[in-house]
Amino acid sequence: DIQMTQSPSSLSASVGDRVTITCRASQGIRNDLGWYQQKPGKAPKRLIYAASSLQTGVPSRFSGSGSGTEFTLTISSLQPEDFATYYCLQLNTYPFTFGGGTKVEIK
Amino acid sequence: EVQLVESGGGSVQPGGSLRLSCAASGFTFSSYWMSWVRQAPGEGLEWVANIKEDVSESYSVDSVKGRFTISRDNAKNSLYLQMNSLRAEDTAVYYCARGQHLAHWGQGTLVTVSS
Repeated sequence: DIQMTQSPSSLSASVGDRVTITCRASQGIRNDLGWYQQKPGKAPKRLIYAASSLQTGVPSRFSGSGSGTEFTLTISSLQPEDFATYYCLQLNTYPFTFGGGTKVEIK
Repeated sequence: EVQLVESGGGSVQPGGSLRLSCAASGFTFSSYWMSWVRQAPGEGLEWVANIKEDVSESYSVDSVKGRFTISRDNAKNSLYLQMNSLRAEDTAVYYCARGQHLAHWGQGTLVTVSS
């Protein structure tokens, strides 16, 4: 199975900060990667697909980049509603696998 | 508006069975792959299974193979997950999602396996 190593597992940041989350795949997955946001008690929501394409309706402060084995999710200016847990997901090879998650907390 | 509504969760003893359902609306169900994802309490997300539009292909994670079966009824706009030989480690919220790429998610249904 492809392992997705996500870092950091948690971070504390302030409103307005630039935040970067990284996912590393154990083997190349081209750009077959998505990013998801989950708030407590809620279903996940897709933010990014195909590594860098913004889901319709998602604010432009979210962006994704990378291909192969290294991927990043960047929030350019953290807003109060962005405090949540973020997951990457590789969709290149079955079984699809998620990263362990990054919890973004208020500093 | 895409809507996915899961049902069928509940409490069951180890070794028991449950059948989850996902009712879809707001899109042409028969044109999309459909997926199941689960999340154990306090844990991360785990992809479980998916099924192609015409049921010609389906895939699942090794930990559920031989125990869980994904199916769909395009006439009823419904997705199913038949879960047999349930184990304590299957305790989780189960989400259905549209597509291989999980573009839209339901609200989830809780399955608790405990004696």
